[in-house]
Amino acid sequence: NAGVTQTPKFQVLKTGQSMTLQCAQDMNHEYMSWYRQDPGMGLRLIHYSVGAGITDQGEVPNGYNVSRSTTEDFPLRLLSAAPSQTSVYFCASSSGPYAGSPLHFGNGTRLTVT
Amino acid sequence: AQKVTQAQTEISVVEKEDVTLDCVYETRDTTYYLFWYKQPPSGELVFLIRRNSFDEQNEISGRYSWNFQKSTSSFNFTITASQVVDSAVYFCALSRTGAGNMLTFGGGTRLMVKP
Repeated sequence: NAGVTQTPKFQVLKTGQSMTLQCAQDMNHEYMSWYRQDPGMGLRLIHYSVGAGITDQGEVPNGYNVSRSTTEDFPLRLLSAAPSQTSVYFCASSSGPYAGSPLHFGNGTRLTVT
Repeated sequence: AQKVTQAQTEISVVEKEDVTLDCVYETRDTTYYLFWYKQPPSGELVFLIRRNSFDEQNEISGRYSWNFQKSTSSFNFTITASQVVDSAVYFCALSRTGAGNMLTFGGGTRLMVKP
């Protein structure tokens, strides 16, 4: 019963470094997404995918790349980290890309960029 | 554009008090879904409830109840006889039909229940 698994849990980067946040789900969910959580702003959608090979931008996509080569995995790449990307990142999945399908969230990755 | 407002950023109550968390939303869609999620101190996000825009019936689940009023664009959440374990950040969210499964979240309300 792993659900949505995110790694790592914590990460510290220096400005300009790159890294990939990993997300995997074992529920055979079609829909996956990445959100960032900042104080007082709730969660904001970065990128999402409605199935393998299909991705699209959310509300705050700049500075992030995604790909979806398998149903299970949806990694988030930061190509050149900036202090503004300091945040908690959540990956989520749902059984379909239908509004109304409850999202299942991972436990989050806390990223600090210095 | 969609918007969700949770005007109460922090609420503090004493155990056994009732507490209502407010959520007001804006959307031009006629069909949409509303959600509440709980984020306990451990940090994970837990789904609590989903309501679609055609169903204005209030819902009760144990000590939790939700009041959806389309006329005032509100979807308020009440906890009856609060307990320390209810301490968490609660998020209200709105999704659109025909737009994948993208949620617009409110800023969250931090609820502190003191013994």
